[in-house]
Amino acid sequence: DTEVTQTPKHLVMGMTNKKSLKCEQHMGHRAMYWYKQKAKKPPELMFVYSYEKLSINESVPSRFSPECPNSSLLNLHLHALQPEDSALYLCASSHDGSSTDTQYFGPGTRLTVL
Amino acid sequence: GQQVMQIPQYQHVQEGEDFTTYCNSSTTLSNIQWYKQRPGGHPVFLIQLVKSGEVKKQKRLTFQFGEAKKNSSLHITATQTTDVGTYFCAGGRGAQKLVFGQGTRLTINP
Repeated sequence: DTEVTQTPKHLVMGMTNKKSLKCEQHMGHRAMYWYKQKAKKPPELMFVYSYEKLSINESVPSRFSPECPNSSLLNLHLHALQPEDSALYLCASSHDGSSTDTQYFGPGTRLTVL
Repeated sequence: GQQVMQIPQYQHVQEGEDFTTYCNSSTTLSNIQWYKQRPGGHPVFLIQLVKSGEVKKQKRLTFQFGEAKKNSSLHITATQTTDVGTYFCAGGRGAQKLVFGQGTRLTINP
């Protein structure tokens, strides 16, 4: 199974809402990633978890809060977002986080902030 | 910081024509990966190049890694409508992250 799943597929939220994005993989990978992708732009790395520990935080605003409950799951908690945070949020996983790993991307959550 | 530049930004071809996208890094890379993202889809891994001067082929796709490990190219021979999408290169430098190029969006006139 080389699939990364993400829920929900679409999310519309107001600036005062709290919501969470979820990601799951069952490939035994020990690294998981959150990316943000705006239209016609490349994926932009937000966070990396390696062996369930946060190893990279690309200076992401605190209104985005990642969580890795176990090696198969990755969450992104959202609070007090801004309209400019509207984007496709992609989760990915890889073997152990080395830059030579293949990254497997999920289908993404398309987020709209009103 | 490390930058990976990719050109062209857009390419429109007639079906059957060839297509090439180029990737250049400001620093030496440990490896380069190529991903394809179909419209409305997510990035899908195509290939990884690690060795200086490496050339790999996948059917009509040819990937090259430069001798200095700072540049790479993807060439598609005789494009088909299924090749439509955005092609991203992504460079690694031994850290835990890949740096993505801006992507080349390929559209094809059937």
